[in-house]
Amino acid sequence: DADVTQTPRNRITKTGKRIMLECSQTKGHDRMYWYRQDPGLGLRLIYYSFDVKDINKGEISDGYSVSRQAQAKFSLSLESAIPNQTALYFCATSEPGGGTDTQYFGPGTRLTVL
Amino acid sequence: GNSVTQMEGPVTLSEEAFLTINCTYTATGYPSLFWYVQYPGEGLQLLLKATKADDKGSNKGFEATYRKETTSFHLEKGSVQVSDSAVYFCALRDNTNAGKSTFGDGTTLTVKP
Repeated sequence: DADVTQTPRNRITKTGKRIMLECSQTKGHDRMYWYRQDPGLGLRLIYYSFDVKDINKGEISDGYSVSRQAQAKFSLSLESAIPNQTALYFCATSEPGGGTDTQYFGPGTRLTVL
Repeated sequence: GNSVTQMEGPVTLSEEAFLTINCTYTATGYPSLFWYVQYPGEGLQLLLKATKADDKGSNKGFEATYRKETTSFHLEKGSVQVSDSAVYFCALRDNTNAGKSTFGDGTTLTVKP
């Protein structure tokens, strides 16, 4: 079984709808992240969490919110989806390592907002 | 702020050819450097990393050396295979702000038989 799972894998929705993307991990890591990937661009950080009580904004948090329900679960919400949020979304985890830690990525959720 | 610049793709090579994908970076502090690979339909996975200057990361025949003097971390492989076709991302993590990684735009490699 995959260490980092994301649901759904694909989602098509309409402008204005509320969407939740879920991420679960079995690696036992405290740190979790949400990124978006756009064609031809690298990954951009949306939110990150160092533990259940610690949530931090990334470089592109506007229009998104997150919930860290447990060490193993980190959800990303789009309160009112818009077309320019169409992208591939990745969840990732890591151990604390002072910046040397490897990140482990889920398979991604492809979101299309019409 | 931090930034990572990768060689633009796509890159198309014949099997057994030599591969170089250039990566340069700008960072404050002393970053760790990573190469991740993304196969079609999958998430990113670590290919190799180096955590200090002059370190060489290696895995599956790929190598990259952390060059502080040229702020580079170029990826090389002596003989590519069709199975190496993927998107390759260079990334850095700033040890002074360990929550954030900075990724390059990715380089798509296609290897033809």
